[in-house]
Amino acid sequence: GNSVTQMEGPVTLSEEAFLTINCTYTATGYPSLFWYVQYPGEGLQLLLKATKADDKGSNKGFEATYRKETTSFHLEKGSVQVSDSAVYFCALSALYNFNKFYFGSGTKLNVKP
Amino acid sequence: GAVVSQHPSWVICKSGTSVKIECRSLDFQATTMFWYRQFPKQSLMLMATSNEGSKATYEQGVEKDKFLINHASLTLSTLTVTSAHPEDSSFYICSALEGGSSALETQYFGPGTRLLVL
Repeated sequence: GNSVTQMEGPVTLSEEAFLTINCTYTATGYPSLFWYVQYPGEGLQLLLKATKADDKGSNKGFEATYRKETTSFHLEKGSVQVSDSAVYFCALSALYNFNKFYFGSGTKLNVKP
Repeated sequence: GAVVSQHPSWVICKSGTSVKIECRSLDFQATTMFWYRQFPKQSLMLMATSNEGSKATYEQGVEKDKFLINHASLTLSTLTVTSAHPEDSSFYICSALEGGSSALETQYFGPGTRLLVL
């Protein structure tokens, strides 16, 4: 079946620190992979995506590479800001039904000044 | 960008009553909307796919008679939790797919509704 596992939070970092949030997946075939971000009081927003192996998604300084060999899609940012404080969700879409998401449990990131 | 709203943002009700949650696409038409449920520290789980003008498609294990979904217009879908019980307490999130699009990334999420059944 399809599933996503991501590291538990919360993750607390100081401003300008390096961020890694781990995400691994189990899927039938080759899914598309996504990171969504949810700021307090708002809906989930697409942060970045990758649709095939070795693709790198990037946006707002965040990056994630689709690693088929390790079934991973880890989120990284070189220098976090206080404004990056949010909950981050890793997700995959089923190969045969692209509108169906499988989400990880979310990782809360707290960035302190 | 496209905005999806949910109302109410939180609701407390007594066991045995029914609760209706609205999901609206504010500046676009959504032929398809999705309803998710999230338990504390757990994944969002897709409950059902709501298509305008037709019956919703429920995921395996989701009770159709318990969670009534109505997608009466291109901007509104409602989820009614009938005869709610404490185990129905959860965070319910909707998303809307912009009309005519099949791309996953054009799915826009609402902020969620927290339901507490006493």
